[in-house]
Amino acid sequence: AQTVTQSQPEMSVQEAETVTLSCTYDTSESDYYLFWYKQPPSRQMILVIRQEAYKQQNATENRFSVNFQKAAKSFSLKISDSQLGDAAMYFCAYYSGGGADGLTFGKGTHLIIQP
Amino acid sequence: KAGVTQTPRYLIKTRGQQVTLSCSPISGHRSVSWYQQTPGQGLQFLFEYFSETQRNKGNFPGRFSGRQFSNSRSEMNVSTLELGDSALYLCASSQDQGLNSPLHFGNGTRLTVT
Repeated sequence: AQTVTQSQPEMSVQEAETVTLSCTYDTSESDYYLFWYKQPPSRQMILVIRQEAYKQQNATENRFSVNFQKAAKSFSLKISDSQLGDAAMYFCAYYSGGGADGLTFGKGTHLIIQP
Repeated sequence: KAGVTQTPRYLIKTRGQQVTLSCSPISGHRSVSWYQQTPGQGLQFLFEYFSETQRNKGNFPGRFSGRQFSNSRSEMNVSTLELGDSALYLCASSQDQGLNSPLHFGNGTRLTVT
């Protein structure tokens, strides 16, 4: 079974600063997808960014970017110019095409934005 | 376009009872998946449905079941409730089969088993 590890239960950053959230995963597959989902206190989960493993170029969505290191099985999320609205739980997730694992999530990182 | 709607928002049940949760996907979305979220186990995949067929099932006991209707609405049923079934149950929809597409989540149903 695939596993996704987020080693930082909680991170804190000053508003307007940059923060990086870590994620590592374990898989024997060569083709898969990685995601970062955000769950604000209102609890509706929102997709932040998506990466296809066969694409070497790191995905970027406005202030959010990833550092995808396939060989190291690492998928970190960088948030630039942090804003108060970025405060949330961030979940890293992995998907390789089905089976009982479905979409596998990490335990999450609670991101606090200091004004 | 309306988002994913889950009903009810909150539910309190007693051990041994059964419960049915409902999920209405975004219009035009044919894939629905379900997840259980608890403080201890985190987010765990329950099922994926596409065009009324269960495509994948997570590692949950047979007490957890679901179905999808022709209008893509989905229901999840848990029979013989246990205290450990207390959780936030999230539903997500997407246009295509498979969980590699961007998922749109509902607000969840908070189930408390006493």
